[in-house]
Amino acid sequence: NAGVMQNPRHLVRRRGQEARLRCSPVKGHSHVYWYRQLPEEGLKFMVYLQKENIIDESGMPKERFSAEFPKEGPSILRIQQVVRGDSAAYFCASSRREDRLYNSPLHFGNGTRLTVT
Amino acid sequence: AQTVTQSQPEMSVQEAETVTLSCTYDTSENNYYLFWYKQPPSRQMILVIRQEAYKQQNATENRFSVNFQKAAKSFSLKISDSQLGDTAMYFCAFLIAGAGSYQLTFGKGTKLSVIP
Repeated sequence: NAGVMQNPRHLVRRRGQEARLRCSPVKGHSHVYWYRQLPEEGLKFMVYLQKENIIDESGMPKERFSAEFPKEGPSILRIQQVVRGDSAAYFCASSRREDRLYNSPLHFGNGTRLTVT
Repeated sequence: AQTVTQSQPEMSVQEAETVTLSCTYDTSENNYYLFWYKQPPSRQMILVIRQEAYKQQNATENRFSVNFQKAAKSFSLKISDSQLGDTAMYFCAFLIAGAGSYQLTFGKGTKLSVIP
């Protein structure tokens, strides 16, 4: 009974490199959400995806960040040309449906901690 | 826009004692949900308890209970008989009720340490 799987758990990148964070949702879940947790902060919404569709990316920085959830395979959060301010924990969550999250709460992964040196 | 405020960055409690974590929120919505999440050192976000705003009865889950004061926009978490495994960050979160609502708004968290 696998939950949301995120890898890698830790990722170190030098400034200017690319970071790719992977998320496999709970089996049967077709809705994926990415949240970012900056140091000493709560989680902040970044993007909501369904298979092959970006539904809401209002929380994503306008540049360098992109996300996808292909028909096959995990969801990917991609950060190009990373800067020190991108250092954070990135969490993926999934749900069976996009609403009624009270009755069908989000399942979170363990996060990927990105460190930019 | 909704905001969630947790005014206690850190708290500690002796094992077996009771502790209360505070959370206040600001919203113009009338229907919404409130959650408490636990984040242990493993970083996993674990749902502890949830409350529907239109329910006056406070939610309870074993040793965890809430004090929901809708008029005051307050949603505190009480942990009874604290255990060492309760040591974690605790986040209060808000979700607007209704179709198409999926963005959780989190507070900054309270770091709870349970002392043996």
